[in-house]
Amino acid sequence: DGGITQSPKYLFRKEGQNVTLSCEQNLNHDAMYWYRQDPGQGLRLIYYSQIVNDFQKGDIAEGYSVSREKKESFPLTVTSAQKNPTAFYLCASSSNPDRGLTEPQHFGDGTRLSIL
Amino acid sequence: GQQVMQIPQYQHVQEGEDFTTYCNSSTTLSNIQWYKQRPGGHPVFLIQLVKSGEVKKQKRLTFQFGEAKKNSSLHITATQTTDVGTYFCAEPYGGSQGNLIFGKGTKLSVKP
Repeated sequence: DGGITQSPKYLFRKEGQNVTLSCEQNLNHDAMYWYRQDPGQGLRLIYYSQIVNDFQKGDIAEGYSVSREKKESFPLTVTSAQKNPTAFYLCASSSNPDRGLTEPQHFGDGTRLSIL
Repeated sequence: GQQVMQIPQYQHVQEGEDFTTYCNSSTTLSNIQWYKQRPGGHPVFLIQLVKSGEVKKQKRLTFQFGEAKKNSSLHITATQTTDVGTYFCAEPYGGSQGNLIFGKGTKLSVKP
C-alpha cells in the first residue's frame, strides 16, 4: 500500500536537545516537503527537496536541518536553536511538475512535538 | 511577497445549511488546489483547478476558479457532520516548481 510514513506520532524534546523526525515514502515521488502547522497559521514550509542529494530552505528554516540521501527518505532535525518547536509537523511528497502544473501533495499523518 | 488570503477563518453551521470558503491571491495563478484536513488528521488533496472560470463538482462540493485566475471558492451544499474539518486552498509558490503556499484555512464545524 503506497503512502508516506511519519514517525514518531508524538515526540517530546528537552531543552538543548536535538530531535529527528522521520519521513519515508514509497510513492516513488521525487519531491518531498516539511511543513510546520500551528493553530490558526495554516501550513508553513520549512524545507523542500526536489531531487535526491539536494534540498532548499523554505520560509521558516531557521533552527531546522534536513538531509536527502535516499529518494524515499527526508528526515527533519529540530535543533536546540529552534526556540519554539512545539507544533504539528507534516511531511509531504509529490511528483515533479507535469506540463508546468503543480502536482498534488500527499501528506503523512504528522508528528506532534512538544517541549518538556 | 506572495500571499493567499482565505476567509472566513471559522464557520459554524447547522447540519443541512450551505457553506462557502473563499480564497484570494495577490497574483494571477496558473492553478489552485484545495485540501481538506479532518480534526487530528492530515491534509488530503481534493481538487485542482486550472482554467479561467472553471467549475468542478464533487457530489455536494462545488469548486470555482475566478475568471481572472486570482480567486477561488469552495461551496458545500447541505452540509453533513462528515464535512467537519479545515479546508485549505493552495497556490503555486512563485518561481519554485512544485512548491505550494497554503491559505490559513477555514475551519468548519457542523452542528447536528
